[in-house]
Amino acid sequence: TAGITQAPTSQILAAGRSMTLRCTQDMRHNAMYWYRQDLGLGLRLIHYSNTAGTTGKGEVPDGYSVSRANTDDFPLTLASAVPSQTSVYFCASGAALGNEQFFGPGTRLTVL
Amino acid sequence: DQQVKQNSPSLSVQEGRISILNCDYTNSMFDYFLWYKKYPAEGPTFLISISSIKDKNEDGRFTVFLNKSAKHLSLHIVPSQPGDSAVYFCAALYSNYQLIWGAGTKLIIKP
Repeated sequence: TAGITQAPTSQILAAGRSMTLRCTQDMRHNAMYWYRQDLGLGLRLIHYSNTAGTTGKGEVPDGYSVSRANTDDFPLTLASAVPSQTSVYFCASGAALGNEQFFGPGTRLTVL
Repeated sequence: DQQVKQNSPSLSVQEGRISILNCDYTNSMFDYFLWYKKYPAEGPTFLISISSIKDKNEDGRFTVFLNKSAKHLSLHIVPSQPGDSAVYFCAALYSNYQLIWGAGTKLIIKP
């Protein structure tokens, strides 16, 4: 089974450009999350979704937006990328908020 | 200020010996803790968890200990195996949905 997939695997993006990171899960999980991982800081929550149609802000939401049109997909959009958004981005899902989270393989984004 | 701290960036252990990974937290409201394991180029995978109503949880070679008074938890792996070489993250559940993560400890198992 695929579990949770992310695309692209990596991307180099010019500052000021927009970008959407894709995340799809096939486990019918209600909860989905976006994290960024930076060296020495662990993972930090950007946005989350409790169920299709609802989203919420995490610890570091500025500069990012999300949507949850259906259960399976949870795209993350950077409207106007800045170099500080250079990071590894992980999408995760869980049966419900607070349950064990399953992670995708990550997207490495470099903003120049 | 990090609320979950893993003060050892790396740890090297001989194969067959015990690996002990440590984690400290500052928020006494945290009541559920998780350990995740991460290999390079992969996402983290859940390893073991513990609720604050317990002080120990065991799953095969992995045991997590929680000392609430010291706001400290540790993950013990015994015996350590080469496949255990990975980055280990400690995380605390906050507000029933948000995981607050430590920076991780890279465990290296030497043959």
